[in-house]
Amino acid sequence: SYVLTQPPSVSVPPGKTARITCGGNDIGRKSVHWYRQKPGQAPMLVISHDGARPSGIPERFSGSNSGNTATLTVSRVEAGDEADYFCQVWDNDSHHYVFGTGTTVTVL
Amino acid sequence: QLVESGGGLIQPGGSLRLSCAASGFTVSSNYMSWVRQAPGKGLAWVAVMYSGGSTYYADSAKGRFTISRDDSKNVLYLQLNTLTADDTAVYYCAREPWNDGGMNVWGQGTTVTVSS
Repeated sequence: SYVLTQPPSVSVPPGKTARITCGGNDIGRKSVHWYRQKPGQAPMLVISHDGARPSGIPERFSGSNSGNTATLTVSRVEAGDEADYFCQVWDNDSHHYVFGTGTTVTVL
Repeated sequence: QLVESGGGLIQPGGSLRLSCAASGFTVSSNYMSWVRQAPGKGLAWVAVMYSGGSTYYADSAKGRFTISRDDSKNVLYLQLNTLTADDTAVYYCAREPWNDGGMNVWGQGTTVTVSS
């Protein structure tokens, strides 16, 4: 089955840039979606189709996808960006949905 | 909006039916998934029902769980059978507006605890 690997944690000072990677075999050929989950809350879509921002998501959030790595970039990080972030793809061979292992972002 | 219900404490080997009531959109016109999260763990996809009615399951759910919907009530269901402690989790329902569109609406989750 398809596996998505993320770093367990990323720490960043406020105002700096956080980059969260999502590794998968030839992931550049798939559409990657990113979710943010704050403690005690349901996940929320922050990036779809590699780099599209849903309505209401700040421009500080961006995404890219190429080769074996997709990346979520959060610019000018704020305290409110502290959360767990998950990448996700759909495997068109199995019709299964796969989530990444998740990354906890800590604002120092 | 999505609102889940039906979770609770259940003994190993037991069964439970989760419900996900939708408002503001039609369940049958969307791709609807169940996603679960064990305590302290990440997200794990469980099952999906396509708008056309096709269903697919994670390996952990195949043969034990059944996803269905009631179009007249605009509700999505997940029947859980032969439950084990490994099924203990918060279960979320989520909506995708089209296939591989990203899950842009999530419920608040319902908690299933499997324990004797």
